[in-house]
Amino acid sequence: AQSVTQLGSHVSVSEGALVLLRCNYSSSVPPYLFWYVQYPNQGLQLLLKYTSAATLVKGINGFEAEFKKSETSFHLTKPSAHMSDAAEYFCAVSEDTGNQFYFGTGTSLTVIP
Amino acid sequence: GAVVSQHPSRVICKSGTSVKIECRSLDFQATTMFWYRQFPKQSLMLMATSNEGSKATYEQGVEKDKFLINHASLTLSTLTVTSAHPEDSSFYICSAQSGLNSYNEQFFGPGTRLTVL
Repeated sequence: AQSVTQLGSHVSVSEGALVLLRCNYSSSVPPYLFWYVQYPNQGLQLLLKYTSAATLVKGINGFEAEFKKSETSFHLTKPSAHMSDAAEYFCAVSEDTGNQFYFGTGTSLTVIP
Repeated sequence: GAVVSQHPSRVICKSGTSVKIECRSLDFQATTMFWYRQFPKQSLMLMATSNEGSKATYEQGVEKDKFLINHASLTLSTLTVTSAHPEDSSFYICSAQSGLNSYNEQFFGPGTRLTVL
């Protein structure tokens, strides 16, 4: 069965500092992996996705994530945090054998001025 | 491209009434739509999966007679919360898949905040 673990339900960083949000997954087959961002009272916006092409994926707003099969990880990073990055971030995994998403529990990012 | 809308964005209703939420794919045909429920500070909980023209598949613990889902066309799915009660108050989010890409990507609507008094 699929599962997604996001370590750290709350992460605080200073403005300009590195952002690192962790995501580990379990999957018996090569997965498709996604990171979404959610601002208060809004739906989910896709940041980036891994679809078995390049292992380093670049997304919107300066975010990127690296697929590491050996570590079953897909951590999200951004070199320099901006105040507007404060939001809830969700990691999700899907398999080509089914169309369902499995979401992590989310990480709330706070950016300190 | 790949825009999903939801209507209404917010709704307040009295206990015992029914509320209908619409989910539309604006620029693509959605073969599959999903309905999620999200409680404050929590992740999305999948309620049901619906394919156009067929009955929805509900997740365990979700009452199909209470949460009626209709997916009558390739661009529209509706969720009706019947006889709503305060515990049904939540943020409901729909998503849609086009079936054309092989990555199972889901496109999410902006959500509907339901408050039952």
